[in-house]
Amino acid sequence: DIQMTQSPLSVSASVGDRVTITCRASQGTRGWLAWYQQKPGKAPQLIISYTSNLQDGVSSRFSGSGSGTDFTLTISSLQPEDSATYYCQQANTFPLTFGGGTKVEIK
Amino acid sequence: VQLQESGPGLVKPSQTLSLTCAVSGGSINSGGYYWSWIRQNPRKGLEWIGYIHYTGSAYYNPSLQSRITISLDASKRNFSLSLTSVTAADTAMYYCAREREFPIAVGGTRAFDIWGQGAMVTVSS
Repeated sequence: DIQMTQSPLSVSASVGDRVTITCRASQGTRGWLAWYQQKPGKAPQLIISYTSNLQDGVSSRFSGSGSGTDFTLTISSLQPEDSATYYCQQANTFPLTFGGGTKVEIK
Repeated sequence: VQLQESGPGLVKPSQTLSLTCAVSGGSINSGGYYWSWIRQNPRKGLEWIGYIHYTGSAYYNPSLQSRITISLDASKRNFSLSLTSVTAADTAMYYCAREREFPIAVGGTRAFDIWGQGAMVTVSS
């Protein structure tokens, strides 16, 4: 199985700060890497597919980048509604696997 | 499109967990979608269980393959999960989700673009 390792486990930042989350895959994923946002008590929501494709309706504050095994989710200017846990997921190889999550909190 | 899970919230050890996901607002008979089950618990995080396509083809997580069956009923517009011989380790929030196959122009990749609200299942005697 491809192991997905996210860092940091959690981050606390102020409104307006730039926040970066990294995701490392144990094998190459051809860029088939998605990011999800999950708020407490809710299902995950797809925010980025194929490394950097922002989903319709998702704020342009969010961006994704990377290649091979190393990927990044960036929130350019953190807003209160961005408080959530973020997960990466590889879609290249079965079984599909998720990262352990990064909790983003507002200071 | 909306997805809604239903099924018992409590299952006894060694018994079979059965959940159904109702699909509304769209067709279940579409080629570019894979109807999936994913579970989440504090111990293992998010874990992909498997999917079924409207053609009947299915693919399961090898770690669960011996205990899983996913089926689809197009006439009822739903798909179902059956997990046999459950233990406490199967206690989790179970989500049904639609895995979308994106056009080649945007990578030809796949991702879970629609999720149900989740169904909490506890395995306990």
